[in-house]
Amino acid sequence: GAGVSQSPSNKVTEKGKDVELRCDPISGHTALYWYRQSLGQGLEFLIYFQGNSAPDKSGLPSDRFSAERTGGSVSTLTIQRTQQEDSAVYLCASSFSNSDQPQHFGDGTRLSIL
Amino acid sequence: GENVEQHPSTLSVQEGDSAVIKCTYSDSASNYFPWYKQELGKGPQLIIDIRSNVGEKKDQRIAVTLNKTAKHFSLHITETQPEDSAVYFCAASSSNKLIFGAGTRLAVHP
Repeated sequence: GAGVSQSPSNKVTEKGKDVELRCDPISGHTALYWYRQSLGQGLEFLIYFQGNSAPDKSGLPSDRFSAERTGGSVSTLTIQRTQQEDSAVYLCASSFSNSDQPQHFGDGTRLSIL
Repeated sequence: GENVEQHPSTLSVQEGDSAVIKCTYSDSASNYFPWYKQELGKGPQLIIDIRSNVGEKKDQRIAVTLNKTAKHFSLHITETQPEDSAVYFCAASSSNKLIFGAGTRLAVHP
């Protein structure tokens, strides 16, 4: 389909391991966002990419979290030395430009840290 | 920081009744207010949005109202159906990102 695609849909890993989550945005969308959703909670902003501008990393909770967006399309969110509190659903969204345009979400990656 | 408050956290209605969810925001520069519906195991789905130059917008059974002076906006669902059961999130634009409310779990009972 033409929606936002995220992989994997589920990831279980041991504490201390690194994980990499992938987001494939809607074609033509220049803005890409990562959010974290803990169980039964709202969406917590992590990072925002807009075109070739420097990303807004103001929501990243620690230096163990990083993200990149190659070629203005696919993005990866990397969590190093995972901790149990990192367990959550990680959601990606994309839009045509900035936050004043509708954001379309993928179904997320459910991350479980044992 | 910027904040969006959403009430109620849970809402239970009978099929056919109306449901109202209310949000307040803190950033006076916010000018875009979307509403999302999230079903279990899925990502949030945009159901309606409103911009600050409009006071009300309607799409079939759902409507959104905005009061910029009071910094609050509301979602109204009429003639609720069991398939409306889900978690609903409001959001407000702020500094190139969306700030989300904590969500409302709506249950529509047949």
